[in-house]
Amino acid sequence: TQLLEQSPQFLSIQEGENLTVYCNSSSVFSSLQWYRQEPGEGPVLLVTVVTGGEVKKLKRLTFQFGDARKDSSLHITAAQPGDTGLYLCAGGSSTTSGTYKYIFGTGTRLKVLA
Amino acid sequence: GAGVSQSPRYKVAKRGQDVALRCDPISGHVSLFWYQQALGQGPEFLTYFQNEAQLDKSGLPSDRFFAERPEGSVSTLKIQRTQQEDSAVYLCASSAIAGGPYEQYFGPGTRLTVT
Repeated sequence: TQLLEQSPQFLSIQEGENLTVYCNSSSVFSSLQWYRQEPGEGPVLLVTVVTGGEVKKLKRLTFQFGDARKDSSLHITAAQPGDTGLYLCAGGSSTTSGTYKYIFGTGTRLKVLA
Repeated sequence: GAGVSQSPRYKVAKRGQDVALRCDPISGHVSLFWYQQALGQGPEFLTYFQNEAQLDKSGLPSDRFFAERPEGSVSTLKIQRTQQEDSAVYLCASSAIAGGPYEQYFGPGTRLTVT
């Protein structure tokens, strides 16, 4: 069974601080996605990374896919209250039945205080 | 533009009742996914449709769960004889392509509470 563990589980920080969220697995994935989910809504895709060692930047967010494609990190610079939410990583791979499936991580709940 | 919509948004069922949850994907999207999300956790995969074909139902927790997408657009997730452990948010997502990696767009979910 593929498992994606995220750490920390909860994070409460002051506006302007930096933070990093980690997503780790013992399994290799062919792609890795990060989502943000707000209460009462579905997850919204932030980024997809597909190459080991790949780094993508989206404004104040930096995403990295591990060299072995088993782990990933999300770094937020100068966090803002609008960054508050549940952050989810999802590892993608082909299945034995020929489909492609994403397995979601355990989630990191971030609260940014003004 | 129209995103993925789900109805009802909230459903309260007495234990033992049957429920039906509806998903309207983005028009023209080939792939449709159902997930179950417990409070504060990540979504767990239930089933996958490519057009009207249900290609993966490995995540359905029991034979009380049944999903269909008869015309390759709207999908319904049915839960028979609901149990308290079925209480969760049920999310639907759709994608424009089959195969991956893909971008999946989620609906707002249906929160099911079984009393």
